[in-house]
Amino acid sequence: ILNVEQSPQSLHVQEGDSTNFTCSFPSSNFYALHWYRWETAKSPEALFVMTLNGDEKKKGRISATLNTKEGYSYLYIKGSQPEDSATYLCAPRGGGGADGLTFGKGTHLIIQP
Amino acid sequence: DTAVSQTPKYLVTQMGNDKSIKCEQNLGHDTMYWYKQDSKKFLKIMFSYNNKELIINETVPNRFSPKSPDKAHLNLHINSLELGDSAVYFCASSQMQGSYTFGSGTRLTVV
Repeated sequence: ILNVEQSPQSLHVQEGDSTNFTCSFPSSNFYALHWYRWETAKSPEALFVMTLNGDEKKKGRISATLNTKEGYSYLYIKGSQPEDSATYLCAPRGGGGADGLTFGKGTHLIIQP
Repeated sequence: DTAVSQTPKYLVTQMGNDKSIKCEQNLGHDTMYWYKQDSKKFLKIMFSYNNKELIINETVPNRFSPKSPDKAHLNLHINSLELGDSAVYFCASSQMQGSYTFGSGTRLTVV
């Protein structure tokens, strides 16, 4: 189980603005980094699984980068829309074993019209 | 066709009772999990299980036990329910170390 910190804890963004937030994790014994989007009263949905240092993934207006040497990942949202309001969770995964992901406490994003 | 389905969606029961929550996945995944959403809305791993290995989070009381009749099912059995067990429980599955697919959650209320 890897410790993970996410910041900020919550974020208010105006509709149309772009934003980003951070996931920090121990760089030793790294295997993969997961990002999930969790809307209120729903279940978490997978966004990205990233494994390589320098990796960048994109899904529509959402993208993520990964730095495994320094132990952080950024999630970016371009041109925020009200439907982007959710909690964004990250979870690092260590090598070996079948133990489940340890999720961060999340960044709660609220898009204001 | 639901990929990971949990039943029941809501469960209200009295303290001291024994209850089970069922989970089934039709994705052919090899590993299944149970998570608890605690009072602060954080997701905490309880168990992970594939056909070779059960890993238990050491903080989970032994009143909680996973039961897997086959690869597609991982049920959660809870003995002697306590007020503090009230929470939303999520089942999930994954293939190898790929992304997780979550069920819709079971809201357990112990009265």
